[in-house]
Amino acid sequence: EAQVTQNPRYLITVTGKKLTVTCSQNMNHEYMSWYRQDPGLGLRQIYYSMNVEVTDKGDVPEGYKVSRKEKRNFPLILESPSPNQTSLYFCASSPLRQGSYEQYFGPGTRLTVT
Amino acid sequence: SQKIEQNSEALNIQEGKTATLTCNYTNYSPAYLQWYRQDPGRGPVFLLLIRENEKEKRKERLKVTFDTTLKQSLFHITASQPADSATYLCALDAGGTSYGKLTFGQGTILTVHP
Repeated sequence: EAQVTQNPRYLITVTGKKLTVTCSQNMNHEYMSWYRQDPGLGLRQIYYSMNVEVTDKGDVPEGYKVSRKEKRNFPLILESPSPNQTSLYFCASSPLRQGSYEQYFGPGTRLTVT
Repeated sequence: SQKIEQNSEALNIQEGKTATLTCNYTNYSPAYLQWYRQDPGRGPVFLLLIRENEKEKRKERLKVTFDTTLKQSLFHITASQPADSATYLCALDAGGTSYGKLTFGQGTILTVHP
């Protein structure tokens, strides 16, 4: 089944404890992206990647890191999480360079930082 | 600065009527505009994409228009059903050197009453 998977789905952590949220897609898509969604602020892009080893900042990159070493994986790293990073996170992929731009979203990761 | 606005935070209509949602943008020259549906607690699902050189796109009961002069897209659901109740998001690509950088509107919560 074609899909985007995220792990973990739920995570409660403490301030300052480094964490990684994994994202993987099995559709051979070039483009991958991370978003956070907060009430009243909508869906905001954190980072995106047009291809392996190519990453760019979205609108809210502060406090996050990403890497794209393989086409299928795009992990989101929080080196020192803070309570303001409590949010619902979505990973997405798209066959952007094949002339088709729709994004396929993962199920989301609900992160709570205390 | 670039801005996307979905004019209605919430829209309530009766079953069988046509729902019309609006997406306005400023300071963009988008190559395309997308519409997504999001159900509570789930990732957005792609519905339709319309390119800058297209005036209208249809898919079953859905219709999207794109007016680059007015900087506006309208999203219509005809013969609406309670199952169409969800949040609908529009999204624009920044284009140019920021191709791949996506910004979403805040969304319109559509409720279709039986």
